[in-house]
Amino acid sequence: KQEVTQIPAALSVPEGENLVLNCSFTDSAIYNLQWFRQDPGKGLTSLLLIQSSQREQTSGRLNASLDKSSGRSTLYIAASQPGDSATYLCAVSRESGGGADGLTFGKGTHLIIQP
Amino acid sequence: NAGVMQNPRHLVRRRGQEARLRCSPMKGHSHVYWYRQLPEEGLKFMVYLQKENIIDESGMPKERFSAEFPKEGPSILRIQQVVRGDSAAYFCASSLMDVFGGTEAFFGQGTRLTVV
Repeated sequence: KQEVTQIPAALSVPEGENLVLNCSFTDSAIYNLQWFRQDPGKGLTSLLLIQSSQREQTSGRLNASLDKSSGRSTLYIAASQPGDSATYLCAVSRESGGGADGLTFGKGTHLIIQP
Repeated sequence: NAGVMQNPRHLVRRRGQEARLRCSPMKGHSHVYWYRQLPEEGLKFMVYLQKENIIDESGMPKERFSAEFPKEGPSILRIQQVVRGDSAAYFCASSLMDVFGGTEAFFGQGTRLTVV
């Protein structure tokens, strides 16, 4: 059974710092990995999708890497801003052909950027 | 494209009543997924549907919960005889192809169910 762990569970840093959020998964047989952002009381916003054949994806100040063999992904946020404050969720999809159990999510990293 | 639309955003039900949660996928998407997020917990997969078919309901409780995605209209998650433990945020996601084919999932704003 796939398990996804995110470290740290919470992080508070001053504005302007570069930071790294970590995600690990126990079963490397994934098809893709997706990073989401969730604001309090709101839905999920997709940030980056990395296919299993890819090593990284970039969008603006965000960069996500994937090391499938070691079961790890990192989300790098450059020059953090107060508007980046949210919970960041990592989710993996299972390789096709083995069943249809959707995305498996970590519990998230609650990020606070201090002005 | 309005994105994935869920309604209602908030729903309050008394114990024993029925709750109906609706989800309209993004235009052109025929794959719908329901997830539940309990307080302080991660999102848990419940059910995966395509038009008129339940593909996988392995994450959905066997009793009181049902889901459908008719040929016309939104997908419905139905919870009968609700109990306090059903209080959670229920999220719907849709994708163009199934997520196991590597396509991106888009989520709605969620329905927050409170059972009193």
